[in-house]
Amino acid sequence: DGGITQSPKYLFRKEGQNVTLSCEQNLNHDAMYWYRQDPGQGLRLIYYSQIVNDFQKGDIAEGYSVSREKKESFPLTVTSAQKNPTAFYLCASSIAPQQHRESYNEQFFGPGTRLTVL
Amino acid sequence: DAKTTQPPSMDCAEGRAANLPCNHSTISGNEYVYWYRQIHSQGPQYIIHGLKNNETNEMASLIITEDRKSSTLILPHATLRDTAVYYCIVRAYSSASKIIFGSGTRLSIRP
Repeated sequence: DGGITQSPKYLFRKEGQNVTLSCEQNLNHDAMYWYRQDPGQGLRLIYYSQIVNDFQKGDIAEGYSVSREKKESFPLTVTSAQKNPTAFYLCASSIAPQQHRESYNEQFFGPGTRLTVL
Repeated sequence: DAKTTQPPSMDCAEGRAANLPCNHSTISGNEYVYWYRQIHSQGPQYIIHGLKNNETNEMASLIITEDRKSSTLILPHATLRDTAVYYCIVRAYSSASKIIFGSGTRLSIRP
């Protein structure tokens, strides 16, 4: 079955430690995204990548880093510089918009990783 | 991308139609209206999208006003499983494909 996976579902870390969240997709999508969600809030974009070996900062990139060495993988590292890392992290993927003249670039979301920093 | 305004919460009786409104008065001519929903502690799920014509699929119907300044998502026969936060989003294909999510509408379905 095609889809997008995130692991683990729950993650606990001590303050000051870097942590890397996994995101894998087998949908052959070019574009991938990382969002953060805080309780009762909407999603905010951290980073996105429209092609391998290229990525752009979203609205709240400070304290985060990403890599895109493979089309199917887009890991997110939450560094110790992120002031409030405890949140629900969501990864998504879509067909790159330039492949479609219409705006039908629906984003498929993974199940999310809930990170708690103690 | 244009901003949207949605009521923070709504409720609906099971089996009845749920009508979720969204205002997007600053929408541009090349911007589409998308609806997603998020069930608690899961990733958002795409529901439907449209440009100016009304749209219907197996999940819902989307009614867009003629001036495109507002739209309504209709769940024709709401069930308890439709309890979720519903997000209305507008964006253009010419912009980056990132989605800007607002706070959405929390829909509660009562038995």
